Amino acid sequence: GQNIDQPTEMTATEGAIVQINCTYQTSGFNGLFWYQQHAGEAPTFLSYNVLDGLEEKGRFSSFLSRSKGYSYLLLKELQMKDSASYLCAPMDSNYQLIWGAGTKLIIKP
Amino acid sequence: DAGVTQSPTHLIKTRGQQVTLRCSPKSGHDTVSWYQQALGQGPQFIFQYYEEEERQRGNFPDRFSGHQFPNYSSELNVNALLLGDSALYLCASSFFLRVNEQFFGPGTRLTVL
Repeated sequence: GQNIDQPTEMTATEGAIVQINCTYQTSGFNGLFWYQQHAGEAPTFLSYNVLDGLEEKGRFSSFLSRSKGYSYLLLKELQMKDSASYLCAPMDSNYQLIWGAGTKLIIKP
Repeated sequence: DAGVTQSPTHLIKTRGQQVTLRCSPKSGHDTVSWYQQALGQGPQFIFQYYEEEERQRGNFPDRFSGHQFPNYSSELNVNALLLGDSALYLCASSFFLRVNEQFFGPGTRLTVL
């Protein structure tokens, strides 16, 4: 079967760094997405990894290890507006996104 | 350039009723995918439309049906509503097979009483 595993909730302090981990099992693999979703809103695209390694984009970085079925999203210099759910979504062999339940990130002052 | 738009924003129905949700894709996009997102969960893929045909379908019953029009806009229909159908319904548009460039609409919040 297909399965995504990420922590349900994490708490971090404003200005700090947080790493959100994701492990996955899918039927085939065509890359992995990270989305940010504020409560009651649509997901917004953060990153897409298809090759192993680290992709850096401003305060956000995403890492992928295909052999381990593992990815993480790294958020630096946390801001209060970063409080949201972060969704890990690998793409399977049919080019469909398989979504995890998301990690709710709470930022404290 | 308008992004993906959905209507209505919110909707309240009772069990057994039928509902139609609408989606207009981002300009130039030809593919529309629909997702259901229950509270506290990730989105679940319902189906995808391209060239006015259902191309792929997730694990949803036949009560969920859809349509795509020549202008690429799409509708999601749900018959015989159940309490468990209460969710945020998301529409996403893209070019066919280029899901890495998928854009989401704001969603329709459906409440079934």
